[in-house]
Amino acid sequence: AQSVTQLDSHVSVSEGTPVLLRCNYSSSYSPSLFWYVQHPNKGLQLLLKYTSAATLVKGINGFEAEFKKSETSFHLTKPSAHMSDAAEYFCVVSPYSGGGADGLTFGKGTHLIIQP
Amino acid sequence: EAGVAQSPRYKIIEKRQSVAFWCNPISGHATLYWYQQILGQGPKLLIQFQNNGVVDDSQLPKDRFSAERLKGVDSTLKIQPAKLEDSAVYLCASSLGTSGASTDTQYFGPGTRLTVL
Repeated sequence: AQSVTQLDSHVSVSEGTPVLLRCNYSSSYSPSLFWYVQHPNKGLQLLLKYTSAATLVKGINGFEAEFKKSETSFHLTKPSAHMSDAAEYFCVVSPYSGGGADGLTFGKGTHLIIQP
Repeated sequence: EAGVAQSPRYKIIEKRQSVAFWCNPISGHATLYWYQQILGQGPKLLIQFQNNGVVDDSQLPKDRFSAERLKGVDSTLKIQPAKLEDSAVYLCASSLGTSGASTDTQYFGPGTRLTVL
């Protein structure tokens, strides 16, 4: 079984300052890990994904995440927050499965607030 | 490229009534998923199809929920009868489904917001 824990339900930062959204995962297999973003009244959008290649993954809109197996973490960062980054962010895990079942397991989400 | 389409976008029903949601995945995507997102939570997988076959329905409440993908393209999700706790956003997603190793990106539709009164 796999799971993810997002350590903060809300994160508030000032515009122009760094963003850190924390995620720990648990998986019996080598997982694929994702970050998705959900803006109000909009669909889920993939930010980035880790699939056992490079441990530092770059995504869209300046976001990146680092896979640390020893810490079972996959934290999301951005050097400088923009007002448009305000949204709900989900850390997501999908197990390797030879049978093809690869439904995503979502964390509870972190609400990112950007202060002007 | 057109995205995942869902309808209706909103639905309000009384408890014990029936409701159906429709999803049209991205053209050429073999795998289709239905997720339930309750307010304040992350989405939860209900069912996964590969073409017109069910791959995983372990979290689908089969006493009231059913889903089908008869021709391997469009899919419908039905709730009969609805309960108050079924109020949620129902999301459809699709992926190419060729890798079989969970690396395919899942693309999500806008969702159907269901309110059960």
